[in-house]
Amino acid sequence: GQNIDQPTEMTATEGAIVQINCTYQTSGFNGLFWYQQHAGEAPTFLSYNVLDGLEEKGRFSSFLSRSKGYSYLLLKELQMKDSASYLCAVRDDTSGTYKYIFGTGTRLKVLA
Amino acid sequence: DAGITQSPRHKVTETGTPVTLRCHQTENHRYMYWYRQDPGHGLRLIHYSYGVKDTDKGEVSDGYSVSRSKTEDFLLTLESATSSQTSVYFCAISDGQGEYEQYFGPGTRLTVT
Repeated sequence: GQNIDQPTEMTATEGAIVQINCTYQTSGFNGLFWYQQHAGEAPTFLSYNVLDGLEEKGRFSSFLSRSKGYSYLLLKELQMKDSASYLCAVRDDTSGTYKYIFGTGTRLKVLA
Repeated sequence: DAGITQSPRHKVTETGTPVTLRCHQTENHRYMYWYRQDPGHGLRLIHYSYGVKDTDKGEVSDGYSVSRSKTEDFLLTLESATSSQTSVYFCAISDGQGEYEQYFGPGTRLTVT
């Protein structure tokens, strides 16, 4: 089956670093994505990993370990505007076409 | 921003009535997806399309049907709306593999009374 787990909620302080973990089980792994979603808005793309290792994009980094079915999103120098939900998603190609399976999301609150 | 729109943006309807939501893209992307988002459940895939007239079911397809007669439009129909289908519906598009992430439409808030 397919399953994606991430923490429901996290709290951090402005200027700090926070790591949001995601574990997954899927039969046809074809990439892992992180999205940001502010309340009342659509998700927007943050990062993509398909090979093991770390991908860095400014204040945001994402790590993948395919053997462990594990990823994390690292947010540095937290700002108030980073308060949002962060969605982990796996692209699955089991059927020969591409489906994206999402976790339930992690709501991050950044405190002043 | 990717050219993807949804209509209507808000709709209130009564139980038992048919409802059609429209997703329109101007990016010529091959894949189009319909999701619903509910508290505690995250984004769940309803149906998706991998080409004109090519569609497949997602994890929560019961009570929904879709059609894609041209590249730019993907319609989601609730044949007989129920209160359990009250949700926010998002359409997304993607060009396929590689670093081609999904782009999401603005969402449609549907309330079934």
